[in-house]
Amino acid sequence: DAGVIQSPRHEVTEMGQEVTLRCKPISGHDYLFWYRQTMMRGLELLIYFNNNVPIDDSGMPEDRFSAKMPNASFSTLKIQPSEPRDSAVYFCASSEVTGKGGNQPQHFGDGTRLSIL
Amino acid sequence: GDSVTQMEGPVTLSEEAFLTINCTYTATGYPSLFWYVQYPGEGLQLLLKATKADDKGSNKGFEATYRKETTSFHLEKGSVQVSDSAVYFCALKTRQGGSEKLVFGKGTKLTVNP
Repeated sequence: DAGVIQSPRHEVTEMGQEVTLRCKPISGHDYLFWYRQTMMRGLELLIYFNNNVPIDDSGMPEDRFSAKMPNASFSTLKIQPSEPRDSAVYFCASSEVTGKGGNQPQHFGDGTRLSIL
Repeated sequence: GDSVTQMEGPVTLSEEAFLTINCTYTATGYPSLFWYVQYPGEGLQLLLKATKADDKGSNKGFEATYRKETTSFHLEKGSVQVSDSAVYFCALKTRQGGSEKLVFGKGTKLTVNP
């Protein structure tokens, strides 16, 4: 089975540019999560969706960050304009509906390593 | 709010040594507890989980027991291998409000030398 697919794997761009990260969740999964990982702050949840609807975006750092999920098989995380402090590894994860025992694991993609110069 | 505290690394062991990575949590209600593992250049993978007090999760020789009285979920392995070198994350999921959020600890990097 294909896992969570993220693209690109690496992105290097100059500050001020728009950055778009992409994610394809596992087919049939109802939940999609975006995380950011840095050495200083560890793993932070930015936003998550249920059935394509944003449920909790309290972790989105500021208005420069936005996320969309136009359909069940695709999501984007956009940073505009980007800043050097946005440099991190961004992970997408998906999971099945809670109803199936309530403790379905989250399946992570391999991440996008973002460097803002 | 809910939180997870795990021992700071890095942890360096020789092959076949015994491993313990401590994890304690603070949560309202009765959370489910997880250990995830992250190999270099990859995303996190579920290693094991426990959903109620006294449950023991186990996988690949790793074990952790949900201790409600000490609010702990320590990860153990009797004999580590070089291939166990990775970063290990303890996490909880609270059931309040139907939230699907996982709260992660900061991770513990394990290096196993031959």
